[in-house]
Amino acid sequence: GESVGLHLPTLSVQEGDNSIINCAYSNSASDYFIWYKQESGKGPQFIIDIRSNMDKRQGQRVTVLLNKTVKHLSLQIAATQPGDSAVYFCAEKRWGDKLIFGTGTRLQVFP
Amino acid sequence: NAGVMQNPRHLVRRRGQEARLRCSPVKGHSHVYWYRQLPEEGLKFMVYLQKENIIDESGMPKERFSAEFPKEGPSILRIQQVVRGDSAAYFCASSPMTSGGSDTQYFGPGTRLTVL
Repeated sequence: GESVGLHLPTLSVQEGDNSIINCAYSNSASDYFIWYKQESGKGPQFIIDIRSNMDKRQGQRVTVLLNKTVKHLSLQIAATQPGDSAVYFCAEKRWGDKLIFGTGTRLQVFP
Repeated sequence: NAGVMQNPRHLVRRRGQEARLRCSPVKGHSHVYWYRQLPEEGLKFMVYLQKENIIDESGMPKERFSAEFPKEGPSILRIQQVVRGDSAAYFCASSPMTSGGSDTQYFGPGTRLTVL
């Protein structure tokens, strides 16, 4: 559904560890999913996307997993670095091409 | 690397004034989207435009808000008679073309509107 959160959930990880950020989407008709990274004061930055005919896609240090059965999306970041600290949003794309954003998760990386 | 450009980056208006937000899409992109973001929240869709056409304005308030994407020049989001509740970050995104609803949208840096 639409994002209505007042407080972002936070994930704290140590530098070098792997991070997993989860997202539940609402519409089984959505066929395209994107993860965005948003740093403070900046616009969302594209990280990785996946289409509904796939269940896994890998990029550089990032992997997106899609489970259509339970309408769940996850972003895995390998060897998390301080520069990965940001808010991460999943987004689903529906008919009409508008993006529907999730609530967001704040990732904090500690040295 | 000319990505999506937005200006101004920060805009301060008093209640009742007009706000004009500009967006220049990535060169070659003919689809523009406007989103609004409140603090600690995700982005909410407002309007989707192609050159000279509004495709979907379902997320935009019916009153005081309007958007255009002329044949030449940037896309403009216009807010008339601003109220304090209009204070937010407004983001523009562009994509090259729709193809089965799976085209990536690239975002600009946003305009932060503050209404006093």
